[in-house]
Order: sequence, then C-alpha cells, then structure tokens
Amino acid sequence: DAMVIQNPRYQVTQFGKPVTLSCSQTLNHNVMYWYQQKSSQAPKLLFHYYDKDFNNEADTPDNFQSRRPNTSFCFLDIRSPGLGDAAMYLCATRRTPTAPNTEAFFGQGTRLTVV
Amino acid sequence: QQPVQSPQAVILREGEDAVINCSSSKALYSVHWYRQKHGEAPVFLMILLKGGEQKGHEKISASFNEKKQQSSLYLTASQLSYSGTYFCGTAGSTGNQFYFGTGTSLTVIP
Repeated sequence: DAMVIQNPRYQVTQFGKPVTLSCSQTLNHNVMYWYQQKSSQAPKLLFHYYDKDFNNEADTPDNFQSRRPNTSFCFLDIRSPGLGDAAMYLCATRRTPTAPNTEAFFGQGTRLTVV
Repeated sequence: QQPVQSPQAVILREGEDAVINCSSSKALYSVHWYRQKHGEAPVFLMILLKGGEQKGHEKISASFNEKKQQSSLYLTASQLSYSGTYFCGTAGSTGNQFYFGTGTSLTVIP
C-alpha cells in the first residue's frame, strides 16, 4: 500500500507558467518535507511543515511556496518556473520530531520539466 | 548543515567490500542511511542513535561515533543489487529538519 503519494509523476510546464505539485500521505505523520533533487545531486531541503507550522530553508527561492491544508495533503507551488527549476521533487514524511529515531518515508517523486 | 560523504564514487566487483563515510560539522543526534537508484525515491536502510551504536541489515551494517560526528556504512560481499547512490541523513538541531549528505555513488560490476 502506497503511504506517500505524489502526483503527477511527470509534469511538463512552460517557462513562467505557475505549476503545483501535490503530495498526500496515509501515515498521519506530523512532519512533511519537500526536497528538490537535480541530476547527480543530493536531495536539497526546500521547506518542511510540523503540523501547520511552516519552516522555510534560508536559501529556498521566493519562487517556491507551499500549502498544507490538512495533515494528509501538502502542495508545492512554483510561481514562475525557470529552466533551472527542472528537477525531481520529492515529498517525505516523518513522525513527530520528538522521535528523532524515526525514518523518513518518501513518495515516488515528481519529475518536473520546464520548456 | 549538509553532511559530507566520502568517497564521492566507488566501483566494486561483486563480492568486494566497501566503506562509505559521513561526517558532519554539527552535532549529530541520529544518522539515517538511504540508498537511491536512478529515477527512484530513496529507500531507507537503517537509523543509528547516540552511543556508538552499530546496526546490521543483511550484509550492510553501520556505525555511529557521536563524539567525532561521523558515521560509516559497511557493505560486505557486495551484490549487483547494491548499486546506487547512498546518502546519509541527519536531523537538524530542532529535530524537525532532515538533511541529506552529499552522496556516494556505488557501482557493482560482475
């Protein structure tokens, strides 16, 4: 049973056209993460939610926004995609951070292409 | 915040052993290890907590030295299926953030 689901798996968008990626989870985990992974690089943390508390990484561009309307869903909005935003976007969840020994569960990722 | 891994890449023949190191400039509260195959999501291998813990997962084991802020992943008698990129992962100081290391590409050839 899939526990973290990302849609779509592949997304093609036009340069400058807003795009939204979605992530849903059935694990009821407090923490949800969004990572950007470019070819041959490590996943880079963009931001995370602890419940509804949003935490942005200092170097995440303003072009990237996120919404978490409820525990199960989280969205990544790219307001004006540039060619440099083409990447795999990974969503992950973890149980409450008071249990640091818990693993992160990943979705299958969304491969974003900007044309 | 990103841990540094070494080596960046390694090529092994089937049956050979390898060690992958993960080092952080900040205090580590726990270390996670993941393997990622091309185009797929990272797959969890194991977590190590404080106290010099060692763990094993089939022929893959790891150690964690919190004083040195280092962890090592040991792969013994490597199999073709071990090929992929290995990442260590560490929680931030608040426990909420989760950062990946720089990654080590492992290729096992027949």
